[in-house]
Amino acid sequence: EDQVTQSPEALRLQEGESSSLNCSYTVSGLRGLFWYRQDPGKGPEFLFTLYSAGEEKEKERLKATLTKKESFLHITAPKPEDSATYLCAVQVRNDYKLSFGAGTTVTVRA
Amino acid sequence: EPEVTQTPSHQVTQMGQEVILRCVPISNHLYFYWYRQILGQKVEFLVSFYNNEISEKSEIFDDQFSVERPDGSNFTLKIRSTKLEDSAMYFCASASGGGAKTQYFGPGTRLLVL
Repeated sequence: EDQVTQSPEALRLQEGESSSLNCSYTVSGLRGLFWYRQDPGKGPEFLFTLYSAGEEKEKERLKATLTKKESFLHITAPKPEDSATYLCAVQVRNDYKLSFGAGTTVTVRA
Repeated sequence: EPEVTQTPSHQVTQMGQEVILRCVPISNHLYFYWYRQILGQKVEFLVSFYNNEISEKSEIFDDQFSVERPDGSNFTLKIRSTKLEDSAMYFCASASGGGAKTQYFGPGTRLLVL
């Protein structure tokens, strides 16, 4: 069975304190790995798609990387507005649905 | 920027009642999805819909659930006889294609079954 595990469950950061979130996956035939941001009571907001090991994508203070077994979301010099739950999801070949991890809730204090 | 919209934002219903959740996907998208998220749990896939038919459904999507695209813009999820355990946030998503095309999510409908 395909599995997506995110760690840590929660992360409390001081403003400006860089850190990384982990998403490890065990799937047969990865088609794509997706990162979303979710604010409380809202829908997931798309951040990045990664397709193959070695790929990196960046957007403002966020950078996502992918290996054959895991993905990292690096948050550089976070600000309070980066506080959210970050979700990782995978899509496997011959399938279109997304399988989500439980998320990492990031709180950034000013 | 185009976005997925969902109505209502909140719905409270009695156990055994029928509910219809509505979604307007992004206009040029062809693939449509419903997911749900029980409070404090993962986002879970329910069903995917393409070319006016269900392309995949999860074990959760039993005979009590149905989906429909009644016109060129709306996409609906019907729960025929709601149960307490159907209480969750329901998200609609749409994508321009299959494969690894990005799925864009709506803001969700919070369903509470009493």
